[in-house]
Amino acid sequence: DAGVIQSPRHEVTEMGQEVTLRCKPISGHDYLFWYRQTMMRGLELLIYFNNNVPIDDSGMPEDRFSAKMPNASFSTLKIQPSEPRDSAVYFCASSLSGYITGELFFGEGSRLTVL
Amino acid sequence: DQQVKQNSPSLSVQEGRISILNCDYTNSMFDYFLWYKKYPAEGPTFLISISSIKDKNEDGRFTVFLNKSAKHLSLHIVPSQPGDSAVYFCAATGNQFYFGTGTSLTVIP
Repeated sequence: DAGVIQSPRHEVTEMGQEVTLRCKPISGHDYLFWYRQTMMRGLELLIYFNNNVPIDDSGMPEDRFSAKMPNASFSTLKIQPSEPRDSAVYFCASSLSGYITGELFFGEGSRLTVL
Repeated sequence: DQQVKQNSPSLSVQEGRISILNCDYTNSMFDYFLWYKKYPAEGPTFLISISSIKDKNEDGRFTVFLNKSAKHLSLHIVPSQPGDSAVYFCAATGNQFYFGTGTSLTVIP
């Protein structure tokens, strides 16, 4: 079975540009999470969805960040406008049970560099 | 405010010896604790977990210990192998999923 698929794997852009990261969760998983990894803060939860509905977006840094899940097999994380401090690795993860058992399945990540 | 803390950013261990990775947490209401392993350029993968009602869980070379009174979690790897070299994230779940900042383990052949 295919795992969580993220694209692009690497993105280099200039400050002020719009960035869109994409995620396809594992089929049948009803929870989807977006995380950001930085050296200082480790893995930070940005937002998560249950059955395509955003449940908790308290981790989204500011209004420049937005996330959507139009259907069960696709989600996007958009940054507009991007800033150098947004440079990080962004992970998408999915699960069957949300936080109950805690096993999340992660994609390989999208490494974003904002110049 | 970090609710899950891994105070050692890195650890080096000789092959065959025991690796002990530590994690502290602040919230006594967490239900589950987990360890994830991450290789470079890959996403984290689940390694082992423990429920808050237990104090030990073992899976092959990996054992997780939970000390609720000290709010402390540890992962023991015995014997350590070079393929265990990775970043290990401690995590805790309650009404949200909290990760630590990770410990980079290097197992020296």
